[in-house]
Amino acid sequence: QVQLVESGGGLVKPEGSLRLSCAASGFIFSDYYMSWIRQAPGKGLEWLSFISKSSSYTNYADSVEGRFTISRDNAKNSLYLQMSSLRAEDTAVYYCATVITPSKSYFDLWGRGTLVTVSS
Amino acid sequence: ETVLTQSPATLSLSPGERATLSCRASQSVSDYLAWYQQKPGQAPRLLIYDASNRATGIPARFSGSGSGTDFTLTISSLEPEDFAVYYCQQRAKWPLTFGPGTTVEIK
Repeated sequence: QVQLVESGGGLVKPEGSLRLSCAASGFIFSDYYMSWIRQAPGKGLEWLSFISKSSSYTNYADSVEGRFTISRDNAKNSLYLQMSSLRAEDTAVYYCATVITPSKSYFDLWGRGTLVTVSS
Repeated sequence: ETVLTQSPATLSLSPGERATLSCRASQSVSDYLAWYQQKPGQAPRLLIYDASNRATGIPARFSGSGSGTDFTLTISSLEPEDFAVYYCQQRAKWPLTFGPGTTVEIK
């Protein structure tokens, strides 16, 4: 079954850290660029980060640059998002998604998301 | 950053009616625009990419058009399962950005 499953969300205090994981199955994970996208409660979608197949290229939204780090382990079919210096405005459902092709940065397979709540 | 504006914010229609959703970019994105559908509690689903190409498995009642700064998603005849929120997204310039969404609700 082709799927992405996020995990690692939860309640964290402001200035705290959290590491999200995304487990891929049913397809050749190493063939795909990947991204993280989030959605604050009742709000729209915000692209966060992008990583190439070999991890040689990464890109970040300004809102998370320097605080979040995207990485992947192709041997484990897994994508990660290390989040630090968390703020209340980082509260959201975090989705991982596959990118259609390296030259078309659209998202065709999404996980169900994991909720991160930043609150004291 | 390329800002995407969607209109209307909410569209109230009946099943069988035609839906026309608009997405406008703050600068030209060529035809590098996608549309997604999101239902409550679910992840978004890619409908259209590069302005007019239907993604795999998307019914023919969904069509996209436009280029430059003005884009349209058309649902030719609304089915009950089409009532949802629709987002546009551009890939022309980093950062990738999404529009705020249009809710298509049952009238």
